[in-house]
Amino acid sequence: GIQVEQSPPDLILQEGANSTLRCNFSDSVNNLQWFHQNPWGQLINLFYIPSGTKQNGRLSATTVATERYSLLYISSSQTTDSGVYFCAVVTTGGFKTIFGAGTRLFVKA
Amino acid sequence: DTGVSQDPRHKITKRGQNVTFRCDPISEHNRLYWYRQTLGQGPEFLTYFQNEAQLEKSRLLSDRFSAERPKGSFSTLEIQRTEQGDSAMYLCASSLNVREQYFGPGTRLTVT
Repeated sequence: GIQVEQSPPDLILQEGANSTLRCNFSDSVNNLQWFHQNPWGQLINLFYIPSGTKQNGRLSATTVATERYSLLYISSSQTTDSGVYFCAVVTTGGFKTIFGAGTRLFVKA
Repeated sequence: DTGVSQDPRHKITKRGQNVTFRCDPISEHNRLYWYRQTLGQGPEFLTYFQNEAQLEKSRLLSDRFSAERPKGSFSTLEIQRTEQGDSAMYLCASSLNVREQYFGPGTRLTVT
């Protein structure tokens, strides 16, 4: 089945720093989403981005479907950005959603 | 639109008991998904409904697990004869066709 790999697994930043999170997937996908899981376990939608580039405030994302990867950029990080960031893909021709193992981000004040 | 809701938020049960969880999707969404998440892992897909039809099931969904979505509205996930390994967060999500999925707050199950 399709493999979804996220890097880095862990990231510690000083407040105000920028970062790039990566998601690689091993096969064609119908769609791709980025989520932020807060300390209470709630998954918050960041981007629905099967291809192209989107921006929302300090966050932006780019998916290059032909090369099977997506990037999430966080600029001017804040302590509230801490948590786990997940990439999730839906397999082409099916409905199964596969999540990566996540990137655990901690932003220090 | 109040988002996806799940009930209960927490459940503690003894090994061998049956438990049932409920998910209410966003009202206009025709697709509903169930996931399980254990500590330190990403959510794992369990099953998926389009309207009332259950179209895909993961091999993770053993015979002790059953899910329904009567009338294509809310869904229930039942676990029979619970085991300690069933302890996890159970997440529900909904979507309109192949668009983005929105998640509920989850039900945290502890089997003692």
